[in-house]
Amino acid sequence: GESVGLHLPTLSVQEGDNSIINCAYSNSASDYFIWYKQESGKGPQFIIDIRSNMDKRQGQRVTVLLNKTVKHLSLQIAATQPGDSAVYFCAENLTPSGGGADGLTFGKGTHLIIQP
Amino acid sequence: DAGVIQSPRHEVTEMGQEVTLRCKPISGHDYLFWYRQTMMRGLELLIYFNNNVPIDDSGMPEDRFSAKMPNASFSTLKIQPSEPRDSAVYFCASSLSSGFYGYTFGSGTRLTVV
Repeated sequence: GESVGLHLPTLSVQEGDNSIINCAYSNSASDYFIWYKQESGKGPQFIIDIRSNMDKRQGQRVTVLLNKTVKHLSLQIAATQPGDSAVYFCAENLTPSGGGADGLTFGKGTHLIIQP
Repeated sequence: DAGVIQSPRHEVTEMGQEVTLRCKPISGHDYLFWYRQTMMRGLELLIYFNNNVPIDDSGMPEDRFSAKMPNASFSTLKIQPSEPRDSAVYFCASSLSSGFYGYTFGSGTRLTVV
């Protein structure tokens, strides 16, 4: 079946550097994508989302890029801080209207480690 | 709003015992989801409700698992009898019909079956 996957299970970066976390999706019908951050002992937390009619969306220190041609999603974190250490998941939704009646499909996650 | 509230935070039980996990969604949210998270399988959708009605339970692993939502502010996930392979973190999440902004997750229940 269709699935969302992540290229790397672990990403280690120096504090202050920029981080890029990648995600590949296979369902071309997906029209809404979300990045979640999960810290140890907590539930996933919404970071940023993007709709399929957009290529880029920026938040505070985070940017999500969507390349529909190659079905690729990335999360860029600027000037990473120790508090950014977490597991990051991408998720896709076929139909955001309707509460995600098809459900969010999550990737396996990338563990971002910030080196001092 | 206090967010999605789950209880207990941790549960340790013996194999064969009944386990009940509880969830209070965000007020006004009309979708409720139960997920299970393990290292091997990541986040798996078990079941979800819309307006208290179960919509899709295809993710429920076995008949030992059951979920109910008697009203808009409460849901339970029950495992009877529990087995060691049920050990995982169980998350409850809720969302609005609009679907945007994804789901809001609770802090999860870490279940250990020994």
